[in-house]
Amino acid sequence: EPEVTQTPSHQVTQMGQEVILRCVPISNHLYFYWYRQILGQKVEFLVSFYNNEISEKSEIFDDQFSVERPDGSNFTLKIRSTKLEDSAMYFCASMETVTGGRYGYTFGSGTRLTVV
Amino acid sequence: AQSVAQPEDQVNVAEGNPLTVKCTYSVSGNPYLFWYVQYPNRGLQFLLKYITGDNLVKGSYGFEAEFNKSQTSFHLKKPSALVSDSALYFCAVRDQNYNYGQNFVFGPGTRLSVLP
Repeated sequence: EPEVTQTPSHQVTQMGQEVILRCVPISNHLYFYWYRQILGQKVEFLVSFYNNEISEKSEIFDDQFSVERPDGSNFTLKIRSTKLEDSAMYFCASMETVTGGRYGYTFGSGTRLTVV
Repeated sequence: AQSVAQPEDQVNVAEGNPLTVKCTYSVSGNPYLFWYVQYPNRGLQFLLKYITGDNLVKGSYGFEAEFNKSQTSFHLKKPSALVSDSALYFCAVRDQNYNYGQNFVFGPGTRLSVLP
C-alpha cells in the first residue's frame, strides 16, 4: 500500500526560529493537506492545496504559515517564526480524488514539533 | 458549517463483547463520512468511509459503521472486540457539496479501551 512520507519525525526548535516540515504525498494523488494535533487531542485542519495553490485554510493558518510544492513531489509546510503554542504533531495527508478515492485521506506518520 | 460530535471521550469494553463508538454530524447537504484510528505515537489510519449507497459500511479489521441520515449518525461498531483494538478513534465529515468546504472536519476523538 502506498504511503505518505513525512520528515523529520521529530523537530526541536527555539522560539522565533523558522521550521520547514516536509511531506512526500502519494504520487497519483491530487489533493494535499496539513493538519495538526496537540497532545493527542483534536485533529485540526490547517490548509488544503490543489492545482498548485491553496484551496482552503483555517484560522490557525495565519501569515506565519506557508505551503508550497516546489518540485511537483514534495509538499512543505513552513512556519516563519515559531511560537510555543505551535508545538504539536503535524500531519500531512493526500487524497486521490475530492470524494476520497479508495482510502480517503492517506496520512503520513507525522512530525512532532517541539518549540522551546 | 460542518461539525462532528463524538459524545464519549472514553469507551471501555470487555474483550469479546460488541463495541460501539458514537459519531453524530452536521452538514448543510449530504455527508462524506470517515472513521480513522490512531494507535499510540502513530499517525491516523483509515478504517472505512461512507460516500453513497448501502447504509452499512464494512471496513478494516472487522469494523463496520451504519449511516443513519434521519439521526445524522455514523456509529462505528464491531461484533467482538479485541485488546488490540484499544486506540483513539476519530470520526470525520465533509459536505458532498464542496463549495461548503473541501477539508474534512474531525471529531474530538474517542479513546477505546478493550479490557482482557
